Amino acid sequence: AQSVTQPDIHITVSEGASLELRCNYSYGATPYLFWYVQSPGQGLQLLLKYFSGDTLVQGIKGFEAEFKRSQSSFNLRKPSVHWSDAAEYFCAVGTVSNRDDKIIFGKGTRLHILP
Amino acid sequence: GAVVSQHPSRVICKSGTSVKIECRSLDFQATTMFWYRQFPKKSLMLMATSNEGSKATYEQGVEKDKFLINHASLTLSTLTVTSAHPEDSSFYICSARDLDGLYWGYTFGSGTRLTVV
Repeated sequence: AQSVTQPDIHITVSEGASLELRCNYSYGATPYLFWYVQSPGQGLQLLLKYFSGDTLVQGIKGFEAEFKRSQSSFNLRKPSVHWSDAAEYFCAVGTVSNRDDKIIFGKGTRLHILP
Repeated sequence: GAVVSQHPSRVICKSGTSVKIECRSLDFQATTMFWYRQFPKKSLMLMATSNEGSKATYEQGVEKDKFLINHASLTLSTLTVTSAHPEDSSFYICSARDLDGLYWGYTFGSGTRLTVV
């Protein structure tokens, strides 16, 4: 069965500092991986996704993530965070190749930005 | 890109009444839609998968008689919370599966905050 682990419940970084949010997954085949961001009281916005090909994926808002099969990881990074990046971030893993697909979310990491 | 519209964004209802939440794919046809529930400070829990023209597939532990899902067209899925109780208060989010180039993706609605008083 699929599962996703985000080991950090809260992360606090200073504005302008670099960021890395961790995500580990468990899945028997090649996974399809996603990062979503959620602002308070809002729905989810897709930051980036990995299906195949280049393991370093570029997303919106200056985010990137790297798929490392050997470590079963898909960590999200940003070189310099902005105060507007404060939000909840969800990593997700899924199968998207047939009608029986679904995606499973990690528990999320709350990002706090210090001025 | 794909857009999913979810309404209402907020709803307050009395205990014992039913509430319907709509999820529409605006510029694409969604054969599959998903309904999630998010508890405060918790992750999203998949409640059910809704396939157009067929019965929804519910996740273990989700009461299908309480959470009625209808996917009558390729652009609309509805979730009806029947005989709502305060413990049903939550944030509900729908998602539609869309074809993004060669690959399927998921687009989420903006969510519905349900408060049962």
